[in-house]
Amino acid sequence: GENVEQHPSTLSVQEGDSAVIKCTYSDSASNYFPWYKQELGKRPQLIIDIRSNVGEKKDQRIAVTLNKTAKHFSLHITETQPEDSAVYFCAASITNRDDKIIFGKGTRLHILP
Amino acid sequence: NAGVMQNPRHLVRRRGQEARLRCSPMKGHSHVYWYRQLPEEGLKFMVYLQKENIIDESGMPKERFSAEFPKEGPSILRIQQVVRGDSAAYFCASSQVGLAGERPKDTQYFGPGTRLTVL
Repeated sequence: GENVEQHPSTLSVQEGDSAVIKCTYSDSASNYFPWYKQELGKRPQLIIDIRSNVGEKKDQRIAVTLNKTAKHFSLHITETQPEDSAVYFCAASITNRDDKIIFGKGTRLHILP
Repeated sequence: NAGVMQNPRHLVRRRGQEARLRCSPMKGHSHVYWYRQLPEEGLKFMVYLQKENIIDESGMPKERFSAEFPKEGPSILRIQQVVRGDSAAYFCASSQVGLAGERPKDTQYFGPGTRLTVL
């Protein structure tokens, strides 16, 4: 089955700097890659997603890139702000087959003042 | 449009008791997914249901755990004879089928979770 690896597990960046989180997946049939942000004690919230027919997607300070050949995808957060502090999960899914989302173990992002 | 609802938000059970967790999907959503999150860990898929059907239960333990999504009413995750290792946050998510929306129909939206503590 699908396996998603995520790193780093913890990331500290200075406020205003960029943060990059990287993930790899094992099943080449995966075609949907959502990213979720989870604040302490809260539900996971979808922040951005990308499909396998697209190489890059951007939404304000957040961007995601996908390399299908290498089977890896990354989240980029620019001009980080204190409210970006949270745990971020990458995930992979095969839509229209089983729709089951397999999550990475998460990256705890700390934005330092 | 109300989001995904879960109740109770917190549930305390003693070992050997039963736990029932409820999930009401977003309006118009007919797919429900249950995930378990242990402290400081990621989300682990448990089961995927459509109305009156279990589509995939490969992530759910074979014993003591069961799930249903009846034609009427919420989806229920049931844990019998709970043990301390069942203590976790249980999240459900729902997705839309067959209707166009702002996002693709397969996007999953999460509920607030039920935090189960087994004493």
